[in-house]
Amino acid sequence: GAGVSQSPRYKVAKRGQDVALRCDPISGHVSLFWYQQALGQGPEFLTYFQNEAQLDKSGLPSDRFFAERPEGSVSTLKIQRTQQEDSAVYLCASSFMTGGDTGELFFGEGSRLTVL
Amino acid sequence: GENVEQHPSTLSVQEGDSAVIKCTYSDSASNYFPWYKQELGKGPQLIIDIRSNVGEKKDQRIAVTLNKTAKHFSLHITETQPEDSAVYFCAAPGNTPLVFGKGTRLSVIA
Repeated sequence: GAGVSQSPRYKVAKRGQDVALRCDPISGHVSLFWYQQALGQGPEFLTYFQNEAQLDKSGLPSDRFFAERPEGSVSTLKIQRTQQEDSAVYLCASSFMTGGDTGELFFGEGSRLTVL
Repeated sequence: GENVEQHPSTLSVQEGDSAVIKCTYSDSASNYFPWYKQELGKGPQLIIDIRSNVGEKKDQRIAVTLNKTAKHFSLHITETQPEDSAVYFCAAPGNTPLVFGKGTRLSVIA
């Protein structure tokens, strides 16, 4: 596709359920990022991949959060035993840049997670 | 790590007036400063960026200025139009990829 695609766009989960959010980056983009955006706030960094390697996961808030990108393309963010504080929009972004220079990030429209 | 502060949090201007949004950063090693625009229900989109080897960059009605000594950078939008209404985020690179400010909600009143 032409842009970053995320699914599902909306997800409602009961507290304690596991959820999986998918990101399909722009073809050929090496770098992939996950951000969490709470209502009325800026995006907060979660984790970063370069190809299939997860180079930075320092932003993951707890061990309930797990991300993977096994073939260096599609990525999945998994949240186990969801809590109400996990409610947010989860943004995926990709970039053709590598190394320390991020360059332009191309964001998807996000997956809005609501935990009841 | 990098800390980015953004002001104001909300801004209302009359159509045709100018809007200015300011950000400060903490890491003197940062050398790349982008601005993103986020419309309702969409992901952020890059509108302009500046690197530390220049002090100002313009693109039509949008400009960004950078003061490395004071560690602040600003977004200037001239001749504002209703379609400029959105949330704007500044960002700076930290030890982890891009740290974003909390955003400024700009409303352009026709």
